[in-house]
Amino acid sequence: GDSVTQMEGPVTLSEEAFLTINCTYTATGYPSLFWYVQYPGEGLQLLLKATKADDKGSNKGFEATYRKETTSFHLEKGSVQVSDSAVYFCALIKTSYDKVIFGPGTSLSVIP
Amino acid sequence: DADVTQTPRNRITKTGKRIMLECSQTKGHDRMYWYRQDPGLGLRLIYYSFDVKDINKGEISDGYSVSRQAQAKFSLSLESAIPNQTALYFCATSDFRLAGGQEQFFGPGTRLTVL
Repeated sequence: GDSVTQMEGPVTLSEEAFLTINCTYTATGYPSLFWYVQYPGEGLQLLLKATKADDKGSNKGFEATYRKETTSFHLEKGSVQVSDSAVYFCALIKTSYDKVIFGPGTSLSVIP
Repeated sequence: DADVTQTPRNRITKTGKRIMLECSQTKGHDRMYWYRQDPGLGLRLIYYSFDVKDINKGEISDGYSVSRQAQAKFSLSLESAIPNQTALYFCATSDFRLAGGQEQFFGPGTRLTVL
């Protein structure tokens, strides 16, 4: 079946460090890909998305590129801040009538 | 602000009790979902509803039931709570008119503890 795999956390970085969180997926067809973020004590919110191969999603300094050849959608940020401390979820959906499939989440802690 | 709200935010109950978690939304979205979150397991879908007359089981529906009382309200019930239902529960919405309903909007969550 369809699935999403993320790098295991927790990830701890110093402020201004470069961030990569790896995400790979298994799915037939051409899914849309998402990154959601969950700040402490809150629900998930959409961070960025990409709907077709080679699309780059970006928001708040985060970027991810939809790579169909490697079935990946890695999240990157050039300089993290303490306020980026959160849990990050990679997700996919194939069609508007399918369910969203979430990865297990990667916890990020950024220390001053 | 259009929002997704969940009540209660925290609940402690005992094994065997029936409890209901409620979700309301002012976004005007047609689709609603219930998920549970457990550490290391991500989010797992319990039930979902694409409109008021539509109810569908998700991957872990055993032990749960739902009611879509109106477009804006979607309740989750645990008929006889057991300790392994201790988790963080999220309600979410989406709307087919917005990018085909692919983006989901989450409530703040209900932390449920079953003793």
